[in-house]
Amino acid sequence: EVQLVESGGGLVQPGGSLRLSCAASGFTFRSYWMTWVRQAPGKGLEWVANINQDGSHKSYVDSVKGRFTISRDNAKNSLYLEMNSLRAEDTAVYYCVRAGGVGSVDYWGQGTLVTVSS
Amino acid sequence: DVVMTQSPLSLPVTLGQPASISCRSSQSLVHSDGNTYLHWFQQRPGQSPRRLIYKVSNRDSGVPDRFSGSGSGTDFTLKISRVEAEDVGVYYCMQGTHWPWTFGQGTKVEIK
Repeated sequence: EVQLVESGGGLVQPGGSLRLSCAASGFTFRSYWMTWVRQAPGKGLEWVANINQDGSHKSYVDSVKGRFTISRDNAKNSLYLEMNSLRAEDTAVYYCVRAGGVGSVDYWGQGTLVTVSS
Repeated sequence: DVVMTQSPLSLPVTLGQPASISCRSSQSLVHSDGNTYLHWFQQRPGQSPRRLIYKVSNRDSGVPDRFSGSGSGTDFTLKISRVEAEDVGVYYCMQGTHWPWTFGQGTKVEIK
């Protein structure tokens, strides 16, 4: 069974930093692109970042470029999102999502809440 | 960025009746490889999203056959043939043809 378990969310002040982690199991992690998707409270879904199988290719939505870094450790079956210079508008539930094939995502974690507030 | 526009945004439905959600994209979603990467997700209250349909019309494993997807180019539809209580939630379309991937605003399905 595919499982994605996020951790690392919490309350952080504007301008602060946070590192999210995602532990993957139930599939061959190193064979899949992985994605972070976020959802602001009561709002819709927004793709944040992608990373390919070996970490050599990364893409970001414009609003987080230069502030967020996606990375992975295939030996640990783990995905990460390093978030710096956080803003109030980054407040959201962040989901770790498997990219199940070209141009799609399939399995989602339960999400971790990031709140940016003073 | 490709803008995905869903309608309606709110859909009250009587149990056992059909429901239909439209999703329109600002650009064609036909990829250079010939595939159309348009997918549908369901998010039940308090849960993570779950994919229902991939590449326009393919149902994911375990998805009831009352859900169906259709469309082409820039115009797509998700249909529920007979709404059941467990179908309450928000439905999103998503395109994976163009970077960045983008989602529709969501359609909230509720029981009348």
